[in-house]
Amino acid sequence: QVTLKESGPALVKPTETLTLTCTVSGFSLSSTGMGVSWIRQPPGGALEWLTHIFSNDEKSYSTSLKSKFTISKDTSKSQVVLTMTNMDPVDTATYYCARIYCSGASCSLDYWGQGTLVTVSS
Amino acid sequence: EIVLTQSPGTLSLSPGERATLSCRASQSISSSYLAWYQQKPGQTPRLLIYGASSRATGIPDRFSGSGSGTDFTLTISRLEPEDFAVYYCQQYGISPELTFGGGTKVEIK
Repeated sequence: QVTLKESGPALVKPTETLTLTCTVSGFSLSSTGMGVSWIRQPPGGALEWLTHIFSNDEKSYSTSLKSKFTISKDTSKSQVVLTMTNMDPVDTATYYCARIYCSGASCSLDYWGQGTLVTVSS
Repeated sequence: EIVLTQSPGTLSLSPGERATLSCRASQSISSSYLAWYQQKPGQTPRLLIYGASSRATGIPDRFSGSGSGTDFTLTISRLEPEDFAVYYCQQYGISPELTFGGGTKVEIK
């Protein structure tokens, strides 16, 4: 059974750095064609992809937010870590991690975590 | 950067009716990398369709996807009460990035 679970602080202050962890089970972060994406959704808003990391350590970042995020993984702990710098109230959102699975001719986000709401406020 | 535009923004229909949702890309994309998700209020998004037309595991056959190039469609043949939700299209591979559309809300008329 594939599961993903996000963890991290629910409240951060403006300008602070936020670190979120996605702990996965039911698959390995070293499996070919698999990776983990981070997606966020502001209250009442749409989904926004942030970044992902694949089993071969290939990383990709949203062009508009590239300087804000860093993604890394610890395969032995089955964890993917997202670090976001200089947090702003506009970064208030539910942050999801999801498995990205690429098989032959398709790539999609087939399993999602429950999400964690992060509020940026002083 | 590729942009996915979904229309309409809101679709008001009755149970039993057919829903047709559109996703238009600002440039041609591979249908292999076009997916659709459903999100109900307070819930996590769920993968419905991948590769533009393949249903994910456990998805009823009233959901179907089609399209190629820049125009893609999600069709729900007969709306069930549990289908009223927000639907997102998503592409992978251009830039190389992953992009979501703005969503279409299917609401009860």
